[in-house]
Amino acid sequence: ETGVTQTPRHLVMGMTNKKSLKCEQHLGHNAMYWYKQSAKKPLELMFVYNFKEQTENNSVPSRFSPECPNSSHLFLHLHTLQPEDSALYLCASSQSPGTGGYEQYFGPGTRLTVT
Amino acid sequence: AQTVTQSQPEMSVQEAETVTLSCTYDTSESDYYLFWYKQPPSRQMILVIRQEAYKQQNATENRFSVNFQKAAKSFSLKISDSQLGDAAMYFCAYRRLTGANNLFFGTGTRLTVIP
Repeated sequence: ETGVTQTPRHLVMGMTNKKSLKCEQHLGHNAMYWYKQSAKKPLELMFVYNFKEQTENNSVPSRFSPECPNSSHLFLHLHTLQPEDSALYLCASSQSPGTGGYEQYFGPGTRLTVT
Repeated sequence: AQTVTQSQPEMSVQEAETVTLSCTYDTSESDYYLFWYKQPPSRQMILVIRQEAYKQQNATENRFSVNFQKAAKSFSLKISDSQLGDAAMYFCAYRRLTGANNLFFGTGTRLTVIP
């Protein structure tokens, strides 16, 4: 595998379910990001991790819970979601800003549908 | 707060012709980065071109070039000799020069290439 991978690519879940999205980067980066992409809206940054530490949480509801066990893996745990949470969830990685990195590399996304 | 505006939700171009996608942004910073990302129907977002605001020369990558007008806060993307593979959503994005590596995206322009 190369670049940034995400699984699953598609997910349908009920509002009472618990599921997790997984992201893995094979680029040797140390910063990882979760974005939400909804139709006709700008990408919304959700969470940022630098060297496994969460450095940004953009007022995301607690029904979204991120986890970053190491610099290569990032999870987004989902529980009791709402229909308006249906969207494409994108993961990205980059070098940390302190090391001069600024270019983000994106995964293919997980298309989430909440029923 | 930084905002990025793409006023063209959809554009089309004949194959082999040239098209220009518009982007404006709002910032109080004097130095920053600007990006154009491409998201084909397969959804993997890829970087097309990058511009450092402190550089006066417009960035160029093969058939892709930008027209960066710093005073006007304008950052348009020109695609020359359009190809069918150029069909995608194009997103303009802004990043501060220092500090967090957060990207601020526009709402995107869907480009159709007509054979």
